[in-house]
Amino acid sequence: KAGVTQTPRYLIKTRGQQVTLSCSPISGHRSVSWYQQTPGQGLQFLFEYFSETQRNKGNFPGRFSGRQFSNSRSEMNVSTLELGDSALYLCASSLESGRSEAFFGQGTRLTVV
Amino acid sequence: EDQVTQSPEALRLQEGESSSLNCSYTVSGLRGLFWYRQDPGKGPEFLFTLYSAGEEKEKERLKATLTKKESFLHITAPKPEDSATYLCAVQARRGSQGNLIFGKGTKLSVKP
Repeated sequence: KAGVTQTPRYLIKTRGQQVTLSCSPISGHRSVSWYQQTPGQGLQFLFEYFSETQRNKGNFPGRFSGRQFSNSRSEMNVSTLELGDSALYLCASSLESGRSEAFFGQGTRLTVV
Repeated sequence: EDQVTQSPEALRLQEGESSSLNCSYTVSGLRGLFWYRQDPGKGPEFLFTLYSAGEEKEKERLKATLTKKESFLHITAPKPEDSATYLCAVQARRGSQGNLIFGKGTKLSVKP
């Protein structure tokens, strides 16, 4: 059974640009959550999508947004990139929202220069 | 405010030297507590879920336990391949929201 797939694995962007990251959940999983991981703050919750609807949102500025498609694949977008957005972005998939284990992808390493 | 604190931040063990990692939590109604293992540059790998005080789960050299205020991850006779960062996370019983609240992790190094 395939795991959670995130693309791309690595990205280098310039300040002010925007970026889109992609996540394909485990087959049959309908919930996708996004997290930002940095050395100083650890893993922080960005948002969760279930059945194409945002169910929950963390404490991040509006530059961070996401969406989920009918096949449960999800994308997150960051606009007007800042140096502080450099981080490992992780996607996690679950069978249901709030009721089952979350399985993580390998992450996308974003570097903003 | 929901919070997770892990200790120690780093732990160095000799191969075969058993020890425990601690995860203290405050949450308004615990739905579940999760342990993950993370290797450098990779995503967290799911280890265990604990749902109620007194529950225990085991997998190879790892055993996780849960009380009303904390969880322990016991490592018995560790091997160098157990070296990784171990993350603890809680999920609050708040509607159907599924987000996890993570601790900062314990970085474990096991020397041969």
